[in-house]
Amino acid sequence: NAGVTQTPKFQVLKTGQSMTLQCAQDMNHEYMSWYRQDPGMGLRLIHYSVGAGITDQGEVPNGYNVSRSTTEDFPLRLLSAAPSQTSVYFCASSYRPTSYEQYFGPGTRLTVT
Amino acid sequence: GENVEQHPSTLSVQEGDSAVIKCTYSDSASNYFPWYKQELGKRPQLIIDIRSNVGEKKDQRIAVTLNKTAKHFSLHITETQPEDSAVYFCAASSPNDYKLSFGAGTTVTVRA
Repeated sequence: NAGVTQTPKFQVLKTGQSMTLQCAQDMNHEYMSWYRQDPGMGLRLIHYSVGAGITDQGEVPNGYNVSRSTTEDFPLRLLSAAPSQTSVYFCASSYRPTSYEQYFGPGTRLTVT
Repeated sequence: GENVEQHPSTLSVQEGDSAVIKCTYSDSASNYFPWYKQELGKRPQLIIDIRSNVGEKKDQRIAVTLNKTAKHFSLHITETQPEDSAVYFCAASSPNDYKLSFGAGTTVTVRA
């Protein structure tokens, strides 16, 4: 099993550009989520999904969209990139929502200039 | 929503000594408390977790304690080794929602 995979590993965007961060898992996990990690702020939840076709907002959803058309994939879309979105983004999945081990992807380091 | 506070933000210990990290949470309904370790440039990985029906859990050199009344839980690392140097995150979740709330992290440095 590849586990949780993310692409790209690094990305530089200009302010106002849009892009999609890809996330996939091959463990047949129902629950998937996106976090951003900023120095001194821990991991903050952006959006999550409890199954295909179901998504909801986390703690910091503004400026991001998600969709879950399949169990395996959970892409994160930045609609119009801003410097405040410079961060490391982690995708995670687990068998059930929250009360089980979260398996994290390797992360995407995004810089918005 | 849940608010998790973690202390200290940095911790430097001599190799062989113990390290203790403390977290508090706000939602009395929270019932799952995992700890994640993140080495430099790597992804977070679960090292131990505890559920609200248990007061203490051990796994070799690491242990976690939970005080539901005071709404705090702690990570204890004994006989620290250089490979324990990392950032440690506590987290909490409630059965009332599907969110895992993380603390801000503790950077642990083990001095040889």
